[in-house]
Amino acid sequence: EPEVTQTPSHQVTQMGQEVILRCVPISNHLYFYWYRQILGQKVEFLVSFYNNEISEKSEIFDDQFSVERPDGSNFTLKIRSTKLEDSAMYFCASTGEVEAFFGQGTRLTVV
Amino acid sequence: EDQVTQSPEALRLQEGESSSLNCSYTVSGLRGLFWYRQDPGKGPEFLFTLYSAGEEKEKERLKATLTKKESFLHITAPKPEDSATYLCAVENTGFQKLVFGTGTRLLVSP
Repeated sequence: EPEVTQTPSHQVTQMGQEVILRCVPISNHLYFYWYRQILGQKVEFLVSFYNNEISEKSEIFDDQFSVERPDGSNFTLKIRSTKLEDSAMYFCASTGEVEAFFGQGTRLTVV
Repeated sequence: EDQVTQSPEALRLQEGESSSLNCSYTVSGLRGLFWYRQDPGKGPEFLFTLYSAGEEKEKERLKATLTKKESFLHITAPKPEDSATYLCAVENTGFQKLVFGTGTRLLVSP
């Protein structure tokens, strides 16, 4: 069964460092997303991406965040200068028609 | 602003004890209401999509229903493996994103 895959599963980084979270969406899907979930809180939308550009972004997705689809299969989230409050689970998702399918997440810990 | 409220926050059931989880929502235009299951440390796993009031969907011991203001996830004769957090989310017709509730943590004891 097709699935969304994310790497790494866990990333520890120092405050101020740049991190890149990687995702391989389901191959025939056209919409891609990043969500995050701070421990004990709800899943929050960050950004949606379609046709090689951002289609929507939340207030959380400020200038320190960027997304890219560098080739035909990968979808990345870059955080330029990490802060302690960026510590969370980051989920990639992709949509074919309606339903969004999520990856297993990357746990980002900023120390 | 679109909002989703789930209740109860946590629910403990004995194996075989049926119950329902509630999802109340406000959205200016509903494209779809979604139910997901989330196990600890994992990503949300898609269960159902409901599009309009009166619609029902079933999968094994789970049945989801939808009205104009809320959705219910009915769990019939649950088993311990049904223990998880169940998330409800809505998508507005004007936006390409899901708005999630905080979830209901279900624990089913043998």
